[in-house]
This record gives sequence, C-alpha cells and structure tokens, in this order.
Amino acid sequence: QVQLKESGPGLVQPSQTLSLTCTVSGFSLTSNSVHWVRQPPGKGLEWVGAIWSGGSTDYNSALKSRLSISRDTSKSQVFLKMNSLQTEDTAIYFCTRPARGWFAYWGQGTLVTVSS
Amino acid sequence: DIQMTQSPSLLSASVGDRVTLNCKASQNINKNLEWYQQKLGEAPKLLIYYTNNLQTGISSRFSGSGSGTDYTLTISSLQPEDVATYYCYQYNSGNTFGAGTKLELK
Repeated sequence: QVQLKESGPGLVQPSQTLSLTCTVSGFSLTSNSVHWVRQPPGKGLEWVGAIWSGGSTDYNSALKSRLSISRDTSKSQVFLKMNSLQTEDTAIYFCTRPARGWFAYWGQGTLVTVSS
Repeated sequence: DIQMTQSPSLLSASVGDRVTLNCKASQNINKNLEWYQQKLGEAPKLLIYYTNNLQTGISSRFSGSGSGTDYTLTISSLQPEDVATYYCYQYNSGNTFGAGTKLELK
C-alpha cells in the first residue's frame, strides 16, 4: 500500500538550513509527484512545493528563494532543503501524494522547531 | 496570488444537522477546488476533488458544489466523527488553502 514517512532533525537553529526526507513505498517516484505541505502549530495549511514525476519542481513563490526539493528514485526518497530558517518556519511538515485529488496520501508529518 | 476565504471560521452544530461550509476565492478558479478534513493530531484527509467529486471511501453525507468564485461543502447529517477543521484548497492558479472552518458539536 501507499505510504509516506517524513524524517528530519526536529530542532533547527535560526538562520540554519533544514533538511527533511520523505521515504515512500508502494509507488514509484517516476510515476507520481510528491508535494510538501506545512502547518504551523495551531494554524492552517500551506503548500510548500512539489517534485513532479519527471523530476521538475515547483515552489511556493514566498519560499522559492530559500527552498530546494530533490529526489533519489533508487532509494524512493524525496528531499526538502530550506535555508535561512526563521521562527515562522516552525511547523509540522507533511509529504503527500496525489490520487484524483492533489493530496490523497499523507505522511504522519514531522515537527520542525526553529529555536536557539 | 488567489486568496481563499472560508466562512464561518467556527461553526457549532448538533448531531443530525445539515451543515454548510463556505469558501470564496478572490477570482474565478474554474471549479479547481478541493476540500480537506483534519482531525486533531492527524494529517488532513481529502474529501472532495474538482468541486463535487467524492474521494474513494468518503461518506456520501459529504458533498461539494460551486462555480466561479463561490464553493460549498455540505454535510447532510452531522455525525460526532465529523468534528474537525475543514480546509478548501485551490489549484487553478498557484496553490492556496483557506484558513479553515472549525466544526464543533453544540
């Protein structure tokens, strides 16, 4: 079955770089896109960006200058890197996959706290 | 960027009530709208895609409608397990979520 699982550091210092991994199973990254969506504690959802089945990427315009999404298809992993982190980047980061709708399958999310 | 405005932000209703949640786009989004349900501590769940298509496995008491800038999610008979926050999402131009409607039991 389709599964996605996020992993990452949990705590990142301000101005540092965040690196997250989404490990997927039950489908191929060369046939499906993977998106990142984040949610600050107690707040709403924000689309972060995506890597498409062909390997191209799209980013939230507000984050584009700080964001990079890549993948390793042999390991079934998608990577998110965001630099110059600030406290407002504190959020639960989800990876998600389309099926009919844009975000049909979700990981459980990983909380990233930006704090010194 | 397209802005999505959900109303009300908080809705209290009784079991069995017919409930209507609203989502208004700042410009025409050509029915490119989805609805998500998020229960406390869980990842969101896709309910409706392309305005009025029920996702597989979702109860038929959920339905969606709308066009242009105005969209609605309706729960025909509210159940206790429907307590959640509901988000609309547009992908017509960019990718934008509404701020959510929190649905609680009266």
